Order: sequence, then C-alpha cells, then structure tokens
Amino acid sequence: GQQVMQIPQYQHVQEGEDFTTYCNSSTTLSNIQWYKQRPGGHPVFLIQLVKSGEVKKQKRLTFQFGEAKKNSSLHITATQTTDVGTYFCAGPSSSDKLIFGTGTRLQVFP
Amino acid sequence: DTAVSQTPKYLVTQMGNDKSIKCEQNLGHDTMYWYKQDSKKFLKIMFSYNNKELIINETVPNRFSPKSPDKAHLNLHINSLELGDSAVYFCASSRRLAGVSSTDTQYFGPGTRLTVL
Repeated sequence: GQQVMQIPQYQHVQEGEDFTTYCNSSTTLSNIQWYKQRPGGHPVFLIQLVKSGEVKKQKRLTFQFGEAKKNSSLHITATQTTDVGTYFCAGPSSSDKLIFGTGTRLQVFP
Repeated sequence: DTAVSQTPKYLVTQMGNDKSIKCEQNLGHDTMYWYKQDSKKFLKIMFSYNNKELIINETVPNRFSPKSPDKAHLNLHINSLELGDSAVYFCASSRRLAGVSSTDTQYFGPGTRLTVL
C-alpha cells in the first residue's frame, strides 16, 4: 500500500540552529500537506503545496514540493523553543484517506 | 468556539472494561475520522464516516465500534479493553472525503488519552 516516510525520526538542535525534515511518498501525490503537533497537543494544519516544484514560506518555515511530486521538505531557519513538536507531512490517497507520514520529532534546547 | 471537541480528555480504565469516546464538530463538515496515535507518535487511521456512512474501516478489531448518529457526531465504543489499546485517540473532520485529488485539510480534536491498566 501507499507509504509516506519521513526522516529523521528525531532531531535535537540548539536554539538558533536550522532544521530540515524530509518526506518521501511511495506514489505521486496530487498535493502535500504539513501539520504540526505540539507536545501534548493535536495535529494542526500548517500549509498545503499543490504544484510541482512549489516553494512556500511562512516566516522562518520554508516548504518545498518535489518536481516529481513524490517528496517534500520543511526547513526551519534559526529554530526557537516554540518550534518544538512533531511535524507530519500527509498526502491524499486513492483509497479515500489522507496518508500521514511517520513524523519528525523536533526538540530545541535553549 | 471549539471546532472539533472530544470527551473525555483522559480515560484510565481496567482491562476488560467497555468505554466510549465522543466527538463533535461544528464546522459543517461531511467527513469525520478516528485516528490512533501510539507512543511513537505514528498516526494511524481507524475509521472514516462520510455523511453518517462508514467509508473506511482499517482492519481494526471488531471490539471497536464507531457510531455516527448525524454528520456532526462520531463516537467510538471499545469493548473488552486490552493493554495494547492504550494510546491517544484523535477525532478529526474534513469538508469532504479525502479522494486522490482532494485538497481538503483535516481538523483534529484535542485527543483522548486512553490508559488501560
């Protein structure tokens, strides 16, 4: 079945360092969504990318959708302690569901 | 106003008991879901309902029985709870069913942390 993998599984960074998580799908996606889950919280939608090669920015966060629409990345510049959480990518499947990636847990040390 | 609400937030119970979790959304969405999140944070879909009709049942044991009395509510009843059922259960909703070209995003409830002793 369709799988969406993310690497790394965990990342610990010092505040101020950059962070990147990579998302890879086994199939081509029509679009990719990113969600953030704070510790003890629930996943919250961040952004959606639709076009091949699309790049979107939200302040210090940069999202990219691969040319083949099978991979995506999220890059955070100069991390802050408020960036702590688990980041999920997700893509729609032919079986009427959103397939969530395995997630990357980010820890930021002050 | 809370968009997707769940009750209870925490549930601690003994093995073998039966328990229910309730979910309500006030977004006017057609589709609702139950997800299970384990200790490794993997988000696994369990069920989805579209306009009260069961669409997805992801090989979940039949001890889990969802019920959707109307499209704003989706409840989850669990019989004969087992240790392995301990997890966080999230309810979510989206405007429509997530088809292959769907651009609908999902709105999650706050989660119910179930601990089976």
